[in-house]
Amino acid sequence: GAVVSQHPSRVICKSGTSVKIECRSLDFQATTMFWYRQFPKQSLMLMATSNEGSKATYEQGVEKDKFLINHASLTLSTLTVTSAHPEDSSFYICSATPGLASDTQYFGPGTRLTVL
Amino acid sequence: AQKVTQAQTEISVVEKEDVTLDCVYETRDTTYYLFWYKQPPSGELVFLIRRNSFDEQNEISGRYSWNFQKSTSSFNFTITASQVVDSAVYFCALSEAIGGSTLGRLYFGRGTQLTVWP
Repeated sequence: GAVVSQHPSRVICKSGTSVKIECRSLDFQATTMFWYRQFPKQSLMLMATSNEGSKATYEQGVEKDKFLINHASLTLSTLTVTSAHPEDSSFYICSATPGLASDTQYFGPGTRLTVL
Repeated sequence: AQKVTQAQTEISVVEKEDVTLDCVYETRDTTYYLFWYKQPPSGELVFLIRRNSFDEQNEISGRYSWNFQKSTSSFNFTITASQVVDSAVYFCALSEAIGGSTLGRLYFGRGTQLTVWP
C-alpha cells in the first residue's frame, strides 16, 4: 500500500524556537495533504488542508502565522511551528491523498513534539 | 455539519471476550465514507475498514466485524475472541465525498480506549 513518512518522529525543543515537520508521500503524488493534531487521550483535530501549489486552508481557531504549512511539491508538505511554546506540545499527524477519485487517505506515523 | 460520536471512552474486557465499539454519526450528505482506525501506543494510525454510504452490507474480516445501519446512523465494530494485542484506542471517522467519490477531510470521534486483560 501507499506509504507516507514523517520526519522527525520525535522532537524536543526549547520554548521560543521553531520546529519544522516534514510529511512525504513515498510512492504516490499527493495533491492534498492534511495536518492533524492530537493531545494526549484526545481525538485527532484537523488543523489545515493543503493542496499542492496553493495556500493551505486552516480550520477555525488555528493560527496561520504560528503553524506555517507549505506544500511546494506533490510529495512533500511541511508544517513549521513558529516560536513554539509548551502548550504546542502535541502529537502531529499528516495524511495524504492522491486526489481525484481517491477514496483513501494515507496517514503518516506522526511526530511527537515536546516544547520545554 | 459532520459529527462522529463514540460514547464509550474506555472499555475493559478479559481475553477471549467479545467486545463491540459503538459509533454514531451525523451528516447531511447522501454520499459519505465511514472508517475505523486503530491507534496502538506507538501512535501510528492503522486503517481497519472503509465503507461508503451506499454499501450497507456487514463485513467480517477474521475476528473483526462491522455493522453499518443507515437507519440508526451507526457503524459499530465488534471484535470476537479479543486478544491482548487488540488493546489500543479505536477511532471511528466520517468523511464527505467531494465530487461523488474523492475523499474529503476526516471527522474523527473521540476514540474508545480498549484494554484487553490476559
